Amino acid sequence: SAVISQKPSRDICQRGTSLTIQCQVDSQVTMMFWYRQQPGQSLTLIATANQGSEATYESGFVIDKFPISRPNLTFSTLTVSNMSPEDSSIYLCSGRGGTNMYQETQYFGPGTRLLVL
Amino acid sequence: AQTVTQSQPEMSVQEAETVTLSCTYDTSESDYYLFWYKQPPSRQMILVIRQEAYKQQNATENRFSVNFQKAAKSFSLKISDSQLGDAAMYFCAYSPTGNQFYFGTGTSLTVIP
Repeated sequence: SAVISQKPSRDICQRGTSLTIQCQVDSQVTMMFWYRQQPGQSLTLIATANQGSEATYESGFVIDKFPISRPNLTFSTLTVSNMSPEDSSIYLCSGRGGTNMYQETQYFGPGTRLLVL
Repeated sequence: AQTVTQSQPEMSVQEAETVTLSCTYDTSESDYYLFWYKQPPSRQMILVIRQEAYKQQNATENRFSVNFQKAAKSFSLKISDSQLGDAAMYFCAYSPTGNQFYFGTGTSLTVIP
């Protein structure tokens, strides 16, 4: 399976500040995605991270609040901007399998647990 | 709209016994993919098993197997010889293409020693 790492693994932030989460995947991954998982709930797709262009956002998520970059095939960042306590969640990065993997399968990073005070 | 339903918020099983987690989904597509993911307290989502809709044969991975009923849009997960390490939240997921994933609300599995 793909090797996907995220950092930080967790953080506690003050409201009004911003946090950037990094995701590194191995070279076998094709597409990259960002999800939010609120406490005790399922995963919700925030956006698809597109290499070298603007991310594709799902309904309810906007670029100003969740700017995403993907400067190359194996790296992406998600910024949670102007945070409020409602942004407290686990943020997960995933990659779609490439060569020598199940290509219609998404593999997930360990997640970043964010608490906003 | 595609939806995934897991009707069992919590399940428990005795160690070494068998448990089945249910999942139903709604789609108008004929080709798609179904998945079961496991999320232990460490929160890493781990792929347990996957099924391609065009394959009639049920997928198996060691102690994990699925009962895929395409006409009924049902995709249940059977865990045999349950182990303490199987305790986790289990999510069923549907994807028509491998890009857009739709997740169920999860089933929390407790394994009783």
